[in-house]
Amino acid sequence: EAGVAQSPRYKIIEKRQSVAFWCNPISGHATLYWYQQILGQGPKLLIQFQNNGVVDDSQLPKDRFSAERLKGVDSTLKIQPAKLEDSAVYLCASGGAYTEAFFGQGTRLTVV
Amino acid sequence: QKEVEQDPGPLSVPEGAIVSLNCTYSNSAFQYFMWYRQYSRKGPELLMYTYSSGNKEDGRFTAQVDKSSKYISLFIRDSQPSDSATYLCASSGGYQKVTFGTGTKLQVIP
Repeated sequence: EAGVAQSPRYKIIEKRQSVAFWCNPISGHATLYWYQQILGQGPKLLIQFQNNGVVDDSQLPKDRFSAERLKGVDSTLKIQPAKLEDSAVYLCASGGAYTEAFFGQGTRLTVV
Repeated sequence: QKEVEQDPGPLSVPEGAIVSLNCTYSNSAFQYFMWYRQYSRKGPELLMYTYSSGNKEDGRFTAQVDKSSKYISLFIRDSQPSDSATYLCASSGGYQKVTFGTGTKLQVIP
């Protein structure tokens, strides 16, 4: 079974630039999560989708972050404009039954 | 107070030792409890998944949940150098966000 695919793996941008990350979940998984993991910390949920709809985006900085999940499958997370403190690993996860979440490799973002 | 608290370590043990990793949580609504293992520069990997209180065993790993004290544990028997990683505990109340602890970094020394 194919896992959660994310791209790119690494990205370096200057502050105030924009960046987008892509996630393809495990086939058939209705729930998709985007997490932010700052070095030395546990993952922090940014947004959770159930099919096309947003279940929880309470910790998403909506002035600069946006996410969409078209047709209930792939998802993109965008940051515009980026700040230095956005440097982190952005993890996508998907879930099929209850709350088990399976993670992708993540995208390591460095903002300089 | 964070909803899930975890000692960040690092924890260093000799090969073959029994490892005990612990978390506490504050949200009484949490019913699902998970342990993830995260190797450096990799995404977290689901290790154990339990519902409500009790024990669950899988090979060298045992997960334990005590809802009365809001305490979550992971035991690793006969620890191996390949077990060296960061271990994340996580909890959820159902079809809701999964809340993670900060992770405990474990090093098993040959």
